[in-house]
Amino acid sequence: EFVLTQSPGTLSLSPGERATLSCRASQSVSSNYLAWYQQKPGQAPRLLIYGASSRATGIPDRFSGSGSGTEYTLTIRRLEPEDFAVYYCQQYGSSLPYTFGQGTKLEIK
Amino acid sequence: EVQLVQSGAEVKKPGESLKISCKGSGYNFGPYWIAWVRQMPGKGLEWMGIIYPGDSDTRYSPSFQGQVIMSADKSFSTAYLQWNSLKASDSAMYFCARLATYGSGTYSDYFDYWGQGTLVTVSS
Repeated sequence: EFVLTQSPGTLSLSPGERATLSCRASQSVSSNYLAWYQQKPGQAPRLLIYGASSRATGIPDRFSGSGSGTEYTLTIRRLEPEDFAVYYCQQYGSSLPYTFGQGTKLEIK
Repeated sequence: EVQLVQSGAEVKKPGESLKISCKGSGYNFGPYWIAWVRQMPGKGLEWMGIIYPGDSDTRYSPSFQGQVIMSADKSFSTAYLQWNSLKASDSAMYFCARLATYGSGTYSDYFDYWGQGTLVTVSS
């Protein structure tokens, strides 16, 4: 089965800092079909990035995605207080099921 | 405005049956795949399966095949997730989500809209 491994598990940063979240795939992600979602406590996930680097509608440009093959990164430059949440990557290009990573919790330092 | 509105929280006993729903509005429901995603307490997201409301074609994750049943009624713009005999381990939040691309030709897709979630608690 396709496995996505996110690191770090928890990232402690201060508002204004830059966050770099990693998502490593057990095999190459077909067509860079890799998405990132943000989930806040008690809420549904929200789409941030699709196709590895395309921002979803309404997502601020401080969020950016990059990568290819088996290595992907979500970068948040100049963290805002509302950015502290859990982030998940998901592949949707290879065989079913379209698995999620285990998540990275971004917490206030 | 596209919305997915899920049915309310449920408390059930082991062995009971349950069907939860996800009603779409603001778009043509039939031609967009709908996914179900499980989130156990304090844990991550698990892709359960997808259904195409246009013809009720389904794809299940091997982990959930035979454990749940997905169905849909496009005339009511509603997708359903059903259990015939609940277990305590089914206690979780369940989300529905829409795949972004119109049509049945592909399900290699991300989720652009999510329901608010339905909390299912199974306890004796």
